[in-house]
Amino acid sequence: DTGVSQDPRHKITKRGQNVTFRCDPISEHNRLYWYRQTLGQGPEFLTYFQNEAQLEKSRLLSDRFSAERPKGSFSTLEIQRTEQGDSAMYLCASSLAARGRFEQYFGPGTRLTVT
Amino acid sequence: KNEVEQSPQNLTAQEGEFITINCSYSVGISALHWLQQHPGGGIVSLFMLSSGKKKHGRLIATINIQEKHSSLHITASHPRDSAVYICAVGAAGNKLTFGGGTRVLVKP
Repeated sequence: DTGVSQDPRHKITKRGQNVTFRCDPISEHNRLYWYRQTLGQGPEFLTYFQNEAQLEKSRLLSDRFSAERPKGSFSTLEIQRTEQGDSAMYLCASSLAARGRFEQYFGPGTRLTVT
Repeated sequence: KNEVEQSPQNLTAQEGEFITINCSYSVGISALHWLQQHPGGGIVSLFMLSSGKKKHGRLIATINIQEKHSSLHITASHPRDSAVYICAVGAAGNKLTFGGGTRVLVKP
């Protein structure tokens, strides 16, 4: 397995457009996390899935944001009506939920620029 | 007050120097992670700790659960160690709460 992958790596969009990002986790990992990182800051938690169930959403995730993991494998994060404040790096990570196993593996991120 | 605080925010060292980065947290955790982020964004996990001390090459990470404090040490620093080092704590669901990062520059 080649690790966590994200697509696209870079996205430039105009304000008001919708964008969708994809994350493919490590194949046997049942947990998938989305984080957002703005320039010069540490990442912030957005949401996470265990299999196909979305178990938690951050207050950062406004109603313009939606995430899915329909078959418990890959996940998509959609942002509707993008705003300049959405410009950030969107990071995906996956892990295997098991007793004593907490390590998360990160993808390369999708850098979003809203003009 | 942030749940995870790192210090310093920026650090410049000469090649060969010993570097220490500190992390304090205020929440209950299942594990503490030290992560490395290079320009371009990719994050690599360096250590995951729930107690004691771990060593990998020139990197050493320690954690004191009672004091809610962890340190990352880089011995014999090298310019390739230049990166942002991020402390993160994992709690319920193992979602991570991150510190703001420490930007390390090692000069030759």
